[in-house]
Formats: sequence, structure tokens, C-alpha cells
Amino acid sequence: GEDVEQSLFLSVREGDSSVINCTYTDSSSTYLYWYKQEPGAGLQLLTYIFSNMDMKQDQRLTVLLNKKDKHLSLRIADTQTGDSAIYFCAESPNNDMRFGAGTRLTVKP
Amino acid sequence: NAGVMQNPRHLVRRRGQEARLRCSPVKGHSHVYWYRQLPEEGLKFMVYLQKENIIDESGMPKERFSAEFPKEGPSILRIQQVVRGDSAAYFCASSPQGGDTEAFFGQGTRLTVV
Repeated sequence: GEDVEQSLFLSVREGDSSVINCTYTDSSSTYLYWYKQEPGAGLQLLTYIFSNMDMKQDQRLTVLLNKKDKHLSLRIADTQTGDSAIYFCAESPNNDMRFGAGTRLTVKP
Repeated sequence: NAGVMQNPRHLVRRRGQEARLRCSPVKGHSHVYWYRQLPEEGLKFMVYLQKENIIDESGMPKERFSAEFPKEGPSILRIQQVVRGDSAAYFCASSPQGGDTEAFFGQGTRLTVV
């Protein structure tokens, strides 16, 4: 199976909160990442969390890490139509990064 | 802005031809990674290179694919005798050092094999 798993689709209304979940398998990653991919574009690092932290907040973004369950989530408060994109969770246990399949977030006005 | 530059953005090849994808890392970055994104799938690691060395190619198909990162010039991902299944977006990322550090991604090269 995949090393990193995410649900494929999420649809929310503008102004609501979005929560994107991810499970990973390798506990040796020092950091865990969230990347955003807008249509036709490359990936941009959205945020990351150090593995000994439980939570990180950055403006509208909140990352929660449950190391015991190997569960990572990204919460976007007050979701806007510009947040519509694919969000990738990633771990980096060795020299490479391993990504989930991405969650396609659709924000409806 | 000296971000990761990939070219071409779009590449069309006939079956059996060769595809050469170029990646210029962020200035000063000596670590380059290549990923492949198949339609409706996530990113899959292919290869990790430092200048003049392949560090990890565990994600690279054993045949037809090769990568290099010479002392001077961009990193090149080369696909020989392309097949339809090679159609994908190929992303390059660079970082100043390996391991757990932030990687900066290029905008990708979309390869279409006809």
C-alpha cells in the first residue's frame, strides 16, 4: 500500500473551515510537510511541522500532528475560493520525500 | 527570482523518441530530486542527485530512464524510447542540503507521448 494516505476529494463552502487528513507510516521523519498545487502549476510548500510538535498555527492554517497514530491534519480557516487546489502531505524519512496522492479541495461560493 | 526552472514546460514526443527534461536548481542548491506525477495520482520519487553523483535512484525505472547532474549546467532527466505510459508531469525540486530540509519545486514538465 501507499506510504502516505490521504482522501482524494474535499468540498466546502466559502467561509467554512477545511480539514484535510493524512496518515503516514515512517516515524523517523524529522519534519512533515503540506504542499499546495494549483492548476497547471508546481508545488509550493505551504507549511511544515517538526515531528516533536503537536500543533503549529500559521495565520489561517493549523497543522495537527498525532505521532502515536501517525496522523497529520491541515485545517484551513475561513476557506476562500483561492484555496481551491490539490494539497499534498509528505514525509521525508530518508533522502527523498514521499507524498500522498493529494486531496483536491474545491471551494464553492 | 532564481527559483527552480524546468524546461520545457510541455513536451510532446512520438513513441520511440527520446525525451530530455531539464532542471536548473535554485542558485546555490546542490541537491536535486526528480518526481513523476501520473494523471490523477500523487507524486512518486524517482531519483536524488548531488553534483556529479546519483545518491538514490530507487524510484527510477531500471530501463530507458537516466538522470545526471553535472558539475556545470542543469540536471537532466532522460527517457529513451518513450512509451505512452511515460506521459506524466515530471517535477524537479532542489534543496541546499539533503535529508530533512525544505525542497523548492519547479513548475514541472508535462510530457505527452503520442
